[in-house]
Amino acid sequence: DIQMTQSPSSLSASVGDKVTITCRASHSVSTFLNWYQQKPGKAPKVLIYGASSLESEVPSRFSGSGSGTDFTLTISSLQPDDYATYYCQQSYNSPLTFGRGTKVEIK
Amino acid sequence: EVQLVESGGGLVQPGGSLRLSCAASGFTFSSSWMSWVRQAPGKGLEWVAYINQDGSVTSYVDSVKGRFTISRDNTKNSLYLQMNSVRAEDTAVYYCARAGAYCSGGTCRTRFDYWGQGTLLTVSS
Repeated sequence: DIQMTQSPSSLSASVGDKVTITCRASHSVSTFLNWYQQKPGKAPKVLIYGASSLESEVPSRFSGSGSGTDFTLTISSLQPDDYATYYCQQSYNSPLTFGRGTKVEIK
Repeated sequence: EVQLVESGGGLVQPGGSLRLSCAASGFTFSSSWMSWVRQAPGKGLEWVAYINQDGSVTSYVDSVKGRFTISRDNTKNSLYLQMNSVRAEDTAVYYCARAGAYCSGGTCRTRFDYWGQGTLLTVSS
């Protein structure tokens, strides 16, 4: 199974800050890496697919990069609506696996 | 508008059985891969199972193999998860999700692009 390791597990940031979350796969997943945002009590929402493609209607302040084993989700200017938990997920092979999440909190 | 509506969750005793359902609308269900994803209380996301468009291909996470069965009825636009021999560690919110395909370099994979609101399974005596 491919293990997905996210860092940090949590972070505190202020509105307007640039935020970077990293995700490392235990084996290469090529660019088959997706990012999700989840708010408390809600279903996750896909932000980025294929490592760097922005899902429809997702604000352009979100971006993704990477390939192989190392990936990054960047929020260019954190907004109040962005406080949430973020997960990476590989779809390269089965079992599909998620990272353990990164909680973005208000500083 | 795409809608995925799960039902069937509840309280079940260890060793018991339950079937979750997911009613889909707003997209061509019969052309879509579908999945179940779960989230234990206060924990992260865990993929449980997926099924292809006609039900001929399924896959499961190891922890549910032999106990859970994913199926679908394209005439009813519905996805199911039959859960047998449930354990305390199966306690979670279960989400139905569409696995929307994307392709890169001639290879296609999926992301979970639509999700239901989730249904809670509690396994306890």
